[in-house]
Amino acid sequence: EPEVTQTPSHQVTQMGQEVILRCVPISNHLYFYWYRQILGQKVEFLVSFYNNEISEKSEIFDDQFSVERPDGSNFTLKIRSTKLEDSAMYFCASSATVSGTGELFFGEGSRLTVL
Amino acid sequence: GIQVEQSPPDLILQEGANSTLRCNFSDSVNNLQWFHQNPWGQLINLFYIPSGTKQNGRLSATTVATERYSLLYISSSQTTDSGVYFCAVKGYAGNMLTFGGGTRLMVKP
Repeated sequence: EPEVTQTPSHQVTQMGQEVILRCVPISNHLYFYWYRQILGQKVEFLVSFYNNEISEKSEIFDDQFSVERPDGSNFTLKIRSTKLEDSAMYFCASSATVSGTGELFFGEGSRLTVL
Repeated sequence: GIQVEQSPPDLILQEGANSTLRCNFSDSVNNLQWFHQNPWGQLINLFYIPSGTKQNGRLSATTVATERYSLLYISSSQTTDSGVYFCAVKGYAGNMLTFGGGTRLMVKP
């Protein structure tokens, strides 16, 4: 069964360092998303990406965040200068339909710990 | 934006018991999904159910879109059902899912 894969599963970094989280969405999907979940809290939307550009972003997704689809398969989230409060589980998701009403499929998450 | 409220926030069951989890939302939706977050933090898709009723084994879900709620039923609960259950919805404005606060379920042997 097709699935969304994320790497790394866990990353520990020092405050101020750059981090890149990688995702391989399901191959025929058109919409891509990043969400995050701070420990014990709800899952929050960060950004959606369609047709090689950001289609929507939340207030959380400030200038320290960026997304990219560098090739036909990968979708990355970059955090330029990590802060302690960036420690969270980051989930990538993808969906198939152009209109975005279809089911979202989530990866297993990348746990980021900022020290 | 759309508001999503889940109840109860916490639930403790004895193995074998049945339960109903509720999700209320504040506006019309064209996508509603239920997820189970396991102890390792993974989000497992349970149902894509913007309307109607679906069943998958011991789990079933019903969404009454006109009344803006969805229910998740767990029958004959097992310890492996423990974890957090999230409801997430997408309204007609915007294209992201908005998650509720979750129901934390503990099933005791």
